[in-house]
Amino acid sequence: NAGVTQTPKFRILKIGQSMTLQCTQDMNHNYMYWYRQDPGMGLKLIYYSVGAGITDKGEVPNGYNVSRSTTEDFPLRLELAAPSQTSVYFCASVRGDATDTQYFGPGTRLTVL
Amino acid sequence: AQSVTQLDSQVPVFEEAPVELRCNYSSSVSVYLFWYVQYPNQGLQLLLKYLSGSTLVESINGFEAEFNKSQTSFHLRKPSVHISDTAEYFCAVRNAGGTSYGKLTFGQGTILTVHP
Repeated sequence: NAGVTQTPKFRILKIGQSMTLQCTQDMNHNYMYWYRQDPGMGLKLIYYSVGAGITDKGEVPNGYNVSRSTTEDFPLRLELAAPSQTSVYFCASVRGDATDTQYFGPGTRLTVL
Repeated sequence: AQSVTQLDSQVPVFEEAPVELRCNYSSSVSVYLFWYVQYPNQGLQLLLKYLSGSTLVESINGFEAEFNKSQTSFHLRKPSVHISDTAEYFCAVRNAGGTSYGKLTFGQGTILTVHP
């Protein structure tokens, strides 16, 4: 049982490039989330999904896209990377009940130059 | 809308001293409250949570937090810290009902540094 896994761990992009951050969970959780963490700002929700084929915007969705074709996978796509997207990105999942614990992946540190 | 305010961005303490990390929240509905810990270069791990019942909740490594509804606070305390407690701590809230889809609202984080 690996929990929530993310790849890559680190990435440097040039302005205007695109990439996909991968997230997989093996706990059969219904809900999945993408957050970004910036120093002194806590975590901000980018997108979330309540099941395969269902996604919705969070607090800071601009510049990102997501898809959820399976229960296990929830990739985050960055199109036309900008320096403002330099951040640490965390994927998380939860079974579905409001009392359940949200489990986090180890994070992807992205730098856009 | 909900918001969470962690009143201290950094808290330096000496080993074996007590510590309190402060958290206040604002919400128009009932909430569940969480403290997460992030060790350097790692993801977030749940430290403890308040769902209902006793307002004092404890973690396995000696931390405790008390839910105070009248003051809308959920401060985290430990009577004697260790070097290994050095980490960033996040307070978070979630709607207790309705269709929140499990979404968490986080505070800004408090960096706890324990000095020998």
